[in-house]
Amino acid sequence: GQQVMQIPQYQHVQEGEDFTTYCNSSTTLSNIQWYKQRPGGHPVFLIQLVKSGEVKKQKRLTFQFGEAKKNSSLHITATQTTDVGTYFCAGGNAGGTSYGKLTFGQGTILTVHP
Amino acid sequence: NAGVMQNPRHLVRRRGQEARLRCSPMKGHSHVYWYRQLPEEGLKFMVYLQKENIIDESGMPKERFSAEFPKEGPSILRIQQVVRGDSAAYFCASSPYMVATNEKLFFGSGTQLSVL
Repeated sequence: GQQVMQIPQYQHVQEGEDFTTYCNSSTTLSNIQWYKQRPGGHPVFLIQLVKSGEVKKQKRLTFQFGEAKKNSSLHITATQTTDVGTYFCAGGNAGGTSYGKLTFGQGTILTVHP
Repeated sequence: NAGVMQNPRHLVRRRGQEARLRCSPMKGHSHVYWYRQLPEEGLKFMVYLQKENIIDESGMPKERFSAEFPKEGPSILRIQQVVRGDSAAYFCASSPYMVATNEKLFFGSGTQLSVL
């Protein structure tokens, strides 16, 4: 079945440093979504990428979708303490019968030291 | 403008008891998904339901676990004869259309199940 791998599992940064998490799928994706989960909270949708090579920005966050639609990345510039949390990528299946099911990566737990 | 409502927020059960987790999707959403999360791990898909139908239950353990989404009322995730390994956070999510149409998921606050 489809597998989505996310690295690193943990990332500790000093406030002001940059942060990147990477997501790789074993199969071609129809789309990829990114979610953020604050400690003790629930996942909250950040963004969706659909097109090959797509790049989207949200303030200090930059999201990329690979040309082959099998990988993605989230980059945060100049991290702040409010960026703390777990960032998940979630891939949608391109074709097949697994509709309705997003496959989540394991998540990257980001800690920001002030 | 209520979001996805899950209750209870915390549920403690002894081994062998039954656990019932409830989820009311956002207003206007007819698609419900259940995910399970272990500490510091990702979200594992369990089941996808529409009203009165189970669409995909490929992530559900074959025994002891069941889910329903009746015509009226919330979706229920039922775990019979709980074991310690069932301890986890169970998240429900909803969307207005199936995720294959690129809809995002709205998550509830989750139910933390602890099995003693």
